[in-house]
Amino acid sequence: DAKTTQPPSMDCAEGRAANLPCNHSTISGNEYVYWYRQIHSQGPQYIIHGLKNNETNEMASLIITEDRKSSTLILPHATLRDTAVYYCIVSAAVYGGATNKLIFGTGTLLAVQP
Amino acid sequence: GAVVSQHPSRVICKSGTSVKIECRSLDFQATTMFWYRQFPKQSLMLMATSNEGSKATYEQGVEKDKFLINHASLTLSTLTVTSAHPEDSSFYICSASRVAGGYTFGSGTRLTVV
Repeated sequence: DAKTTQPPSMDCAEGRAANLPCNHSTISGNEYVYWYRQIHSQGPQYIIHGLKNNETNEMASLIITEDRKSSTLILPHATLRDTAVYYCIVSAAVYGGATNKLIFGTGTLLAVQP
Repeated sequence: GAVVSQHPSRVICKSGTSVKIECRSLDFQATTMFWYRQFPKQSLMLMATSNEGSKATYEQGVEKDKFLINHASLTLSTLTVTSAHPEDSSFYICSASRVAGGYTFGSGTRLTVV
């Protein structure tokens, strides 16, 4: 079963920041938080991941609470093309080739409005 | 970098026939590949995990004799849906992981069984 809880849907105005919350209260010490998004009828696209520190890349920022029980994905300036289902996933780290599977929850459908 | 090519993108087949879907990592060696299935308006469901040169590990409820997975090299995994029936119609997605970490998804295959 998925270890994360996300709101089923959110709206955001174009040009504004989109803040997508995720609850992962049972996360283990060696588990990372991954964010992916899926635009209709396409494969999931990697956005960002983190362990405990906040992370930022060209797509988004990831804010992880100090107790690691929740996180927020921030899209700083949402565009219509950011409309997608956003998945928050927790999974243990990769060690020397051993890989843990990604289990998807139901995700959040973000609708960016013009 | 880290591109996964999945082929075909769409396939229509007659009931009772078999269909093969290919998943290739183009610019990296994939230590592990994953196969997912997604029904309309639902999340991705993990079907199986495969490591190069060894038998795939199937998730509970997935018929291994129906969904044959071959991972013959570090860059290629195939999923064969045998004796397909209309209820097998779905969106199939592969994912590949690298030793250095990270998961990259293919663009998906829309299978329609008529």
